[in-house]
Amino acid sequence: QKEVEQNSGPLSVPEGAIASLNCTYSDRGSQSFFWYRQYSGKSPELIMFIYSNGDKEDGRFTAQLNKASQYVSLLIRDSQPSDSATYLCAVKGEGRRALTFGSGTRLQVQP
Amino acid sequence: KAGVTQTPRYLIKTRGQQVTLSCSPISGHRSVSWYQQTPGQGLQFLFEYFSETQRNKGNFPGRFSGRQFSNSRSEMNVSTLELGDSALYLCASSKRGTERASGGTDTQYFGPGTRLTVL
Repeated sequence: QKEVEQNSGPLSVPEGAIASLNCTYSDRGSQSFFWYRQYSGKSPELIMFIYSNGDKEDGRFTAQLNKASQYVSLLIRDSQPSDSATYLCAVKGEGRRALTFGSGTRLQVQP
Repeated sequence: KAGVTQTPRYLIKTRGQQVTLSCSPISGHRSVSWYQQTPGQGLQFLFEYFSETQRNKGNFPGRFSGRQFSNSRSEMNVSTLELGDSALYLCASSKRGTERASGGTDTQYFGPGTRLTVL
């Protein structure tokens, strides 16, 4: 079992719809969770982080964390074609500095 | 505030050669982490440097090494290059506060990466 799992996609949604990206992790001691966006040929760009159970909203983005289920998700409201990218879930384990990344979910927003 | 910078952006080397990549963190950030990204393995942690000392190391062979200078700039070196070392090498900087202070906010910001091709 991989430490951080994501559906590779592609996830295709129409413009204006809500895109839902999911991530599960195996280390119950994980403390911090990050979502990065990576455009093709570019480096990962931080979207948001979350470390408490529940929802955290930032503009069109909402991160949701459920530590009991070891599940973190990212919702993108009013999806735009410019949101088309690979979304990487990253987890920081307890007492660890390194980020463990999932393989990423490719999102395609259709105009 | 300027972001993380990495040089060079692109490199082409042949098997057996060695290479040195450079990373300058965001001003005020003292921790530099290095990652390798390949299509097959994704993003994998190489090592982290803080206060000129390697603090954490990933599961990579000894051919991969690094160092950090007093101004927090970091270099990584790969010796005896293999074809499989072709990858995007990413540097990430963070403030790296104490464990208690950092909590969930010891966020890493990535540079543009160095694309290494080994022929």
